[in-house]
Amino acid sequence: KAGVTQTPRYLIKTRGQQVTLSCSPISGHRSVSWYQQTPGQGLQFLFEYFSETQRNKGNFPGRFSGRQFSNSRSEMNVSTLELGDSALYLCASSGAGQNNEQFFGPGTRLTVL
Amino acid sequence: QKEVEQNSGPLSVPEGAIASLNCTYSDRVSQSFFWYRQYSGKSPELIMSIYSNGDKEDGRFTAQLNKASQYVSLLIRDSQPSDSATYLCAVNYNSGTYKYIFGTGTRLKVLA
Repeated sequence: KAGVTQTPRYLIKTRGQQVTLSCSPISGHRSVSWYQQTPGQGLQFLFEYFSETQRNKGNFPGRFSGRQFSNSRSEMNVSTLELGDSALYLCASSGAGQNNEQFFGPGTRLTVL
Repeated sequence: QKEVEQNSGPLSVPEGAIASLNCTYSDRVSQSFFWYRQYSGKSPELIMSIYSNGDKEDGRFTAQLNKASQYVSLLIRDSQPSDSATYLCAVNYNSGTYKYIFGTGTRLKVLA
């Protein structure tokens, strides 16, 4: 089974720009979660989508948004980029149910200059 | 505020020794518990999941869960230099919907 894929792997943007990241989950997985990872803050939960609906949301400003398509692929968007948005953005997919494990993609490294 | 706490380390152990990593969590209704390994510059990789009290073994790894004391631990037997990484503990809470909370990780160094 193919794993979680994320594109692009690396991005360099300047302050004020916007960015869109993409995630394709493991085949059959309907839940996609997004995380931001920085050295100082660790893994911070952004949001989770399940069957095209946002099911959970973390404590991030409205500049961070996402969506999920009918094929379970997900995108997240960050508008008006700030220097502090520089981070590794990770996508994780899981099946349905309370015990289902999350599997991470390779991540997108975003650098904001 | 639900929390998952880990000692940041680094935890240094000699090659061949047992590495013991610990994690405590704050919410008694936690459902599932996971250990991830993350090498520098890479994404987290799931290595163990545990759902009920007791021990679960998988190769050189043993996860231990004690819900009464609200801790989960990971033992790595016969530690190898390739085990040097950051180990993340994750807890899945049922708060209407299921949410994962991650600890900040423990850095393990296995000395050859």
